[in-house]
Amino acid sequence: GENVEQHPSTLSVQEGDSAVIKCTYSDSASNYFPWYKQELGKRPQLIIDIRSNVGEKKDQRIAVTLNKTAKHFSLHITETQPEDSAVYFCAASLPGSARQLTFGSGTQLTVLP
Amino acid sequence: GAVVSQHPSWVICKSGTSVKIECRSLDFQATTMFWYRQFPKQSLMLMATSNEGSKATYEQGVEKDKFLINHASLTLSTLTVTSAHPEDSSFYICSAIPGAGGSYEQYFGPGTRLTVT
Repeated sequence: GENVEQHPSTLSVQEGDSAVIKCTYSDSASNYFPWYKQELGKRPQLIIDIRSNVGEKKDQRIAVTLNKTAKHFSLHITETQPEDSAVYFCAASLPGSARQLTFGSGTQLTVLP
Repeated sequence: GAVVSQHPSWVICKSGTSVKIECRSLDFQATTMFWYRQFPKQSLMLMATSNEGSKATYEQGVEKDKFLINHASLTLSTLTVTSAHPEDSSFYICSAIPGAGGSYEQYFGPGTRLTVT
């Protein structure tokens, strides 16, 4: 099955700086890569996603890049704000009717004011 | 749109009893729903895939006789934790994919905090 590794497990940045979280996946057939933000005790919230036919996608301060050859994808958050502090999860999904997500282990991002 | 609800939001039960958790898609029909378990400071682990009108598909290591899943309609899936034990205490989250096809995005419920004493 698919295996997703995520780094770093914790990340602290100063407000206004950029944050980068990286994930690698094992199955080259995976074609959908979402990123979720989860606050304590809450549901995961989709913040951005990318399909395998696209190399980069941006939404305001958030961007995701995908390198299919290397089987890794990254989340970039620019101009970080204290409210960006949360746990971030990457995930990967194989094509087909099941569309199950395999999650990374998570990154605790802390934005210091 | 695309709202998923769960009930209850939290539950405390005694060891040996059973607990039922409901997952509802409020404004769309969901052919497929997923059940996840999340322990403190850990990631979401897929427990099973629930398809309307058929038996659930369980992930390796998940006891299907302990975690009963029923997906009787296109808007409701239930997870019953039978003979609960303290080690079953966890955050259970469901998600659903709209049944129109083509969508990869999963819509998550708010989760249910289960505490077994």
